[in-house]
Amino acid sequence: ETGVTQSPTHLIKTRGQQVTLRCSSQSGHNTVSWYQQALGQGPQFIFQYYREEENGRGNFPPRFSGLQFPNYSSELNVNALELDDSALYLCASSLRQGILQETQYFGPGTRLLVL
Amino acid sequence: DQQVKQNSPSLSVQEGRISILNCDYTNSMFDYFLWYKKYPAEGPTFLISISSIKDKNEDGRFTVFLNKSAKHLSLHIVPSQPGDSAVYFCAAREYGNKLVFGAGTILRVKS
Repeated sequence: ETGVTQSPTHLIKTRGQQVTLRCSSQSGHNTVSWYQQALGQGPQFIFQYYREEENGRGNFPPRFSGLQFPNYSSELNVNALELDDSALYLCASSLRQGILQETQYFGPGTRLLVL
Repeated sequence: DQQVKQNSPSLSVQEGRISILNCDYTNSMFDYFLWYKKYPAEGPTFLISISSIKDKNEDGRFTVFLNKSAKHLSLHIVPSQPGDSAVYFCAAREYGNKLVFGAGTILRVKS
């Protein structure tokens, strides 16, 4: 069974640029969530995708957008990068089965530095 | 406004003793609680979870206790091992399967 993978592992961008981060879900999972973890804090929910549609969004501006593909892999896009976007970006996948409580499994993250 | 709080930034425990990590929450609508462990340069690893309809869940050395009236959650690790040294995050599930995390507690197990 393949776990959650993310690419790239590290990335350096300058203010105003755009970035795309990628995530491959754990085999058999149909839901993907993205989190931002700033230094010294816990992960903060950005949004979640289920069956290729956004299924919940946290308190992040519209310049944070995402996609989920038919194979359940996902992308996080951030436009007009700001210095405060520097953080660890985590992808988590889970298997949604009706109303059953699901556990999210995390990838290793992408460390983004905005200069 | 932090809905999930881990008030101890760090905890140091002797190998073989019990580690107790605490977590408080404010939202009574949370229905599922999870603990994750995180090593540097890795993503959070799922440890154990508990539904809001239970008050205890055990898995090997790890036990999670839930006190709904106090809105308090704790993770017990017995016996503690040096490999348990990591950052531990408490998380609670909100409507729509969004997880709300605490800021984490650094656990150091001394040998």
